[in-house]
Amino acid sequence: DTGVSQNPRHKITKRGQNVTFRCDPISEHNRLYWYRQTLGQGPEFLTYFQNEAQLEKSRLLSDRFSAERPKGSFSTLEIQRTEQGDSAMYLCASSSRTEINYGYTFGSGTRLTVV
Amino acid sequence: KQEVTQIPAALSVPEGENLVLNCSFTDSAIYNLQWFRQDPGKGLTSLLLIQSSQREQTSGRLNASLDKSSGRSTLYIAASQPGDSATYLCAVRDGVKAAGNKLTFGGGTRVLVKP
Repeated sequence: DTGVSQNPRHKITKRGQNVTFRCDPISEHNRLYWYRQTLGQGPEFLTYFQNEAQLEKSRLLSDRFSAERPKGSFSTLEIQRTEQGDSAMYLCASSSRTEINYGYTFGSGTRLTVV
Repeated sequence: KQEVTQIPAALSVPEGENLVLNCSFTDSAIYNLQWFRQDPGKGLTSLLLIQSSQREQTSGRLNASLDKSSGRSTLYIAASQPGDSATYLCAVRDGVKAAGNKLTFGGGTRVLVKP
């Protein structure tokens, strides 16, 4: 296991279309996070899972956004009826409750462009 | 609400000069603080993690200090090289349980090391 994997790396979509991103965390990590980063800004928290339970959601996560982690392993983030303001880098990170001192490991991100 | 600020937003230095990057946070009740590096269009790479009980951490040419009471951390990069050119982000994890497990990021410092 070489780290957190995100797919796709890039996604270009037309406004109004739905998109889905996937994140595969480090296998022994039970915590998974989604962040969004716009150009020139630091990442902003979207949501957090512990195993399959979604424990926290930011108010940035509008009704058009939904995230799942059905078996406590990989996670998906879906955006429905995309808008140009959704264009951003979507970052996934994982951490382990038993290795909490080691901090978060981030994936390479999915760059979304809505045209 | 935790707020993290990084000053300066951008920094340009000649090769060989030492880099000093600053991070400040408003709520001193943190669990830990993590410094990340981000190359253009890429994900985040963890550099150093400092627990709230620690004063500093070192890795190679990198040294990060933490003064929790004053809400400050500083990342020092000795003898900078052109390969150090990137954006450096600091992030804090709050210590209050109600704050959850999310990281709050600063806006980053964009560093250019000129040969």
